[in-house]
Amino acid sequence: SAVISQKPSRDICQRGTSLTIQCQVDSQVTMMFWYRQQPGQSLTLIATANQGSEATYESGFVIDKFPISRPNLTFSTLTVSNMSPEDSSIYLCSVLSGRAAEQFFGPGTRLTVL
Amino acid sequence: AQSVTQPDIHITVSEGASLELRCNYSYGATPYLFWYVQSPGQGLQLLLKYFSGDTLVQGIKGFEAEFKRSQSSFNLRKPSVHWSDAAEYFCAVGANTGGGNKLTFGTGTQLKVEL
Repeated sequence: SAVISQKPSRDICQRGTSLTIQCQVDSQVTMMFWYRQQPGQSLTLIATANQGSEATYESGFVIDKFPISRPNLTFSTLTVSNMSPEDSSIYLCSVLSGRAAEQFFGPGTRLTVL
Repeated sequence: AQSVTQPDIHITVSEGASLELRCNYSYGATPYLFWYVQSPGQGLQLLLKYFSGDTLVQGIKGFEAEFKRSQSSFNLRKPSVHWSDAAEYFCAVGANTGGGNKLTFGTGTQLKVEL
């Protein structure tokens, strides 16, 4: 299994600002995913990030609000732009295991927007 | 599109009792099915998975799950619950699209264990 770290682990931000979340993996992976978990809710896929191509966004999520970078096979960032209190969530990255289509998750970033 | 239903939002069991968490899925083909556990302040940990073959799968921490195609179910079981099992449990279905695997999660079941 992959070991995944995220930075920051938590943050409190002001409305209208932006936050960039980093996801680092200890091995090279082709596919990375970004999820949002709103308070008391399940996980919702934001986008799929492949190295060397544009991220693919799910319905309801747009690149202007959640730009993603994937500069190499071990790293990705998600930016939450022009934040509002509705963006308060846990944001998790995951990676696809090449072995058996399993996804392994990072510890998450808990974001609070005031 | 695939979907997952976890009908029980909260479940309370006594330590040592058996546990069954329900999961029903909707998917047009043979699904990939997963159970994850999320402890407070933690990320998601994969408990077990089903891709094909034997319909009874064993996972970590003494958990098992049974795939029943006729009932579109993938219920999670444990014969004797420990206090450390208190957590939130998510069932997920995977769709193999374009070489990847997009997961759709259920709404989760919060497990409380009484000592």
